[in-house]
Amino acid sequence: SAVISQKPSRDICQRGTSLTIQCQVDSQVTMMFWYRQQPGQSLTLIATANQGSEATYESGFVIDKFPISRPNLTFSTLTVSNMSPEDSSIYLCSVEGSLAGGETQYFGPGTRLLVL
Amino acid sequence: QKEVEQDPGPLSVPEGAIVSLNCTYSNSAFQYFMWYRQYSRKGPELLMYTYSSGNKEDGRFTAQVDKSSKYISLFIRDSQPSDSATYLCAMRRIQGAQKLVFGQGTRLTINP
Repeated sequence: SAVISQKPSRDICQRGTSLTIQCQVDSQVTMMFWYRQQPGQSLTLIATANQGSEATYESGFVIDKFPISRPNLTFSTLTVSNMSPEDSSIYLCSVEGSLAGGETQYFGPGTRLLVL
Repeated sequence: QKEVEQDPGPLSVPEGAIVSLNCTYSNSAFQYFMWYRQYSRKGPELLMYTYSSGNKEDGRFTAQVDKSSKYISLFIRDSQPSDSATYLCAMRRIQGAQKLVFGQGTRLTINP
């Protein structure tokens, strides 16, 4: 499985500001994913990021709020813009991985965000 | 109705007990089924992966899929305090459709 790192691991931000989260993978992958995990909740997919194309956003998530960059096959960033306390969450990146019989996803350690 | 339902618990059992974790789902198109383990303040870690119906065993862990009932299970034998974590089921459609749909997660505590 791929080794995935995220920066920062945690942050406390003021409302109205923006935070950019970085995701680095130790091998080249085509597809990267960004998830949100709100306190006590499951993971919700924000968007899928393919290198060389615009990210595909899930219903309820928009590019103006969560712009994503994917400059190469090992790196992606997610920006949480104009933050409000409701954006307090864990943000996780994941990458595709192949297993016998199919494909799955491997996750990074997450970025814990608190918005005051 | 959520696509994937999972009892959030919390579930607390004594060390050595057999643990049964379950998820139900509504979409018959799901073909790939996964269990992730998430320790506190960590990202989800892939634990078990199965395709279609049947059983898969890996050490103390057994994953079962019953597509006719739209029901999946994870069994943990000889549970250890180190198994204390949140367990998330996840599933997705046919190969090439990468979106994973997660259950809410069950918080499990194994008491020494």
